Order: sequence, then C-alpha cells, then structure tokens
Amino acid sequence: AQSVTQLGSHVSVSEGALVLLRCNYSSSVPPYLFWYVQYPNQGLQLLLKYTSAATLVKGINDFEAEFKKSETSFHLTKPSAHMSDAAEYFCAVSDRRLGNQGGKLIFGQGTELSVKP
Amino acid sequence: DTGVSQNPRHKITKRGQNVTFRCDPISEHNRLYWYRQTLGQGPEFLTYFQNEAQLEKSRLLSDRFSAERPKGSFSTLEIQRTEQGDSAMYLCASSLKHTGPRTYNEQFFGPGTRLTVL
Repeated sequence: AQSVTQLGSHVSVSEGALVLLRCNYSSSVPPYLFWYVQYPNQGLQLLLKYTSAATLVKGINDFEAEFKKSETSFHLTKPSAHMSDAAEYFCAVSDRRLGNQGGKLIFGQGTELSVKP
Repeated sequence: DTGVSQNPRHKITKRGQNVTFRCDPISEHNRLYWYRQTLGQGPEFLTYFQNEAQLEKSRLLSDRFSAERPKGSFSTLEIQRTEQGDSAMYLCASSLKHTGPRTYNEQFFGPGTRLTVL
C-alpha cells in the first residue's frame, strides 16, 4: 500500500529565507507525486506535480520539488519565503500502474508553514 | 466561474440526523472524487465516480454513507444517523480522464463542506 510521510507538522521561517518542506513516500512502484497548498477555509490548490521523467519540477509561485527515487523523497523548496506563503502544505501520491488509473490521491498529514516578518 | 462548487459550505446538525452535501464538478470533467479531512490531518479518499458509475469506495465509507452521481454530472454525499466522529471537512474534486494508459489527470478541488455534528 502507498503512504506519504511529511516530516514536521509545523515549519517556521523568516520572510526571505529558504523554505524546505519534507515529503517521503512508500510505494512498490514510483508513483505520481504532488504538492498541494491549502489556505484557511479553502480547498486545495495544486502547486506542482511529478508525472514524467523530469525529476526537478517547477510549480507556481517559485516553488519547486525534486523527485529522488533512491531516497523515496519529494521535498518542496522555495528560495525566498513571502508572507503570503503561510498556509498548510500537503504532499500526495497517486498510483501510476496500469489498472490503477482511478487517480485517487493519498495525502500526507500536512505541514503548516508560518512566515515571520 | 467554472471551478468545482460545493453546497452548503457549512452544516451544523445534531447527532442522529441525516445530512446531504452536493458537489458540482467542472462541466466537462467525467471523474468526481470525495475526500474527508479532519482537523490537523490530510484529506482521506472516500470514493470516486467515472461518469455515473461509482468505481471505488474506501473502507472509510461505512454503510451510513452513500454517494450518488445519477446523471454523471453533480454528485451528492449523504450521511445517515450522523455521529460526532463524522465532523470534518468534506472535499470534492473533479478531473477529466484523458485517453492513454499513463496520463495523469489533475484533480481540481472545491472549497469543501464543513460538517459539525453536535
């Protein structure tokens, strides 16, 4: 069974500092991987996704993530944090195997990002 | 606005009552998903439809829960005899299944319905 672990339920950075949110997955076959952001009382918005051979994925708002198969990781980074980045971030996986193309997402527990002025 | 919409946005009910939520997906999307999110947790998959067919249900979906998508457009999620443990945010998402065996289909999420069971 697939699973996702996000290390750190809460991360706090200063404005302008590097953002690093960690995600590790467990799957017998490398899955599709995603990062979503959720602002208070809102739904989920896709930041970026890994679905192809390109292991470094760029997303919206200068976020990027690198798929590392050997480490089963898909950490999210942003070079310079902005106050507007404060939100909950979720890593998710989806099974890419033929016959399992329903596309349901399995989410991690989430990491709340705080940005200090 | 052509995004996913959910109604109501908030629902407060007493234990033992039945509740029904509605999700309207993006119009051309043929797949529709329901997830449940409790406080401090990530969303958990409940069920999904392709057109009007319900193709997968999670074990989380007890027999008090039923979902329908009668005409392959909007969907309803009903919870009978609500319990306090049902209090959560219920999220709906939709996607368009493209042809091809290895094409991922991005899911677009609605704002959710927050259920509080007293």
